[in-house]
Amino acid sequence: QKEVEQNSGPLSVPEGAIASLNCTYSDRGSQSFFWYRQYSGKSPELIMFIYSNGDKEDGRFTAQLNKASQYVSLLIRDSQPSDSATYLCAAPSGNTPLVFGKGTRLSVIA
Amino acid sequence: DTEVTQTPKHLVMGMTNKKSLKCEQHMGHRAMYWYKQKAKKPPELMFVYSYEKLSINESVPSRFSPECPNSSLLNLHLHALQPEDSALYLCASSPQGRGGQNEQFFGPGTRLTVL
Repeated sequence: QKEVEQNSGPLSVPEGAIASLNCTYSDRGSQSFFWYRQYSGKSPELIMFIYSNGDKEDGRFTAQLNKASQYVSLLIRDSQPSDSATYLCAAPSGNTPLVFGKGTRLSVIA
Repeated sequence: DTEVTQTPKHLVMGMTNKKSLKCEQHMGHRAMYWYKQKAKKPPELMFVYSYEKLSINESVPSRFSPECPNSSLLNLHLHALQPEDSALYLCASSPQGRGGQNEQFFGPGTRLTVL
C-alpha cells in the first residue's frame, strides 16, 4: 500500500504566527488530498481538501498541492491556541478510499 | 442535516457480550465507513459500504460484523471481543465511494472498552 508521510511533531508556534504543516505521498495516482483536524479525544474534522496543483484558501487556512513533488501542505495564518490539535493528511490510494498520515501535533503557545 | 451521528458515545462490554454500534447520516451520501482508532494513531479503515453493498473489508476479524440496513444507516455488531479491541470506533460518510466527491465526514465516535 502506498503511504502518506507526515512529521509527527510536536510543532510549536507562537500565537499569531503562521503554522506550516507538511505531507508527502507516494502514490502518483492520488488525485485528491484532505486535511483533518483532530482534538484530543474527539473525532477528525475535515478542514480542507484540494484537487488541483496550486493554492486553495479558506479563511485562515491555505492548502498547497504540488503533484510533481508529491507534496501537500497546510498553512494556518494568525495561529490561535484553539488551533492546537493533531492535523491528519489523507489521500486515496489504490482501492483504499483514504490513507492517513500519522498526523502532526501542533501546539500554539499564547 | 449536515452531520453524522453515532450511538452510543461510550460502551463498556465484557468479552462474552454482544453489542451493536449505530451510525446515521441524512446528507444523501452513498458511501459509509467504519474506522478503528487507537490512541495517538491515525484512523484505521475496517469496512466500506458503497450504495449499501459491502465493497471493502480490510481483513477484519469476524467478531466484528457490519450491516447497512439502508442508505442512511450503518451498524457494527460486536461479539466475543478482546481487550485489545478497545478503541474509538468512527463512522464516516462521503458523497460517493470512489473517485469524484470522496471527502469523508466523521461522526463523533464510540469509545469502546472491552473488559
